Amino acid sequence: AQRVTQPEKLLSVFKGAPVELKCNYSYSGSPELFWYVQYSRQRLQLLLRHISRESIKGFTADLNKGETSFHLKKPFAQEEDSAMYYCALSGRHSGNTPLVFGKGTRLSVIA
Amino acid sequence: DSGVTQTPKHLITATGQRVTLRCSPRSGDLSVYWYQQSLDQGLQFLIQYYNGEERAKGNILERFSAQQFPDLHSELNLSSLELGDSALYFCASSVGISGTYEQYFGPGTRLTVT
Repeated sequence: AQRVTQPEKLLSVFKGAPVELKCNYSYSGSPELFWYVQYSRQRLQLLLRHISRESIKGFTADLNKGETSFHLKKPFAQEEDSAMYYCALSGRHSGNTPLVFGKGTRLSVIA
Repeated sequence: DSGVTQTPKHLITATGQRVTLRCSPRSGDLSVYWYQQSLDQGLQFLIQYYNGEERAKGNILERFSAQQFPDLHSELNLSSLELGDSALYFCASSVGISGTYEQYFGPGTRLTVT
C-alpha cells in the first residue's frame, strides 16, 4: 500500500533560516514524488517533482530511496514561503495509480 | 488561475440533505479527481474519472457518488449528509490517466453541514 507521512503539522522558522520539511513514504514499487503547495487564499499547486530535478522558488527535494524520504529544503526561508506544503506519491509505471497525499505541514516564516 | 472551476464556493445545508458539487476541468484535461480536505484527515482522495469512466476509488463513502459527463465536467453527489461531512471538497484535473501527471486544482467548495 502507498503511504506518505509528514511528521510535522507545523514548522516555524525565522526569516533567513534554513528550512527542511520532512516527507517519508512507503511504496513497494518505483515511486514518483511531488511537493504541492497551498498559499493563503490560493489553490493547491505543484511546487516540484523529483523526476524533473528542478529548483523552484529556491526549494529542492532529493529522493532518497534508501531512507524512503523526499524532504523539501530551502537554504534561506522567506516570509512569502509561509504556506501549507503537501508531499504526494504516485506509483510510476503502475498504470492508474492516484496520487496519495500526506497530511501536510504548515510552514510559518517569522520576520 | 489553474483553469479548473468549481461551483458553488460555499454550501450550507442540514443533516440528512443531499447536495451536488460541480467541477469543470481545464480545457483538454480528461481526468477529474475529487478530494476531501478536513482538519484532522488532511487531503483524502475520493474518486477519479477519466474520459467519462470511473478509474480509481479512494476513501469514498457509499453515500457519496460522482459522475463525469460527455463534456468532461464532473459532479460529486453527497447524500444523507452528516456533521462529519463538513469539509473542503476539491476537484483537480490532469491530461492523463495516471497520478504521475501534474494535477491542477480548483478553488474548492466549502461544505458546512449543520
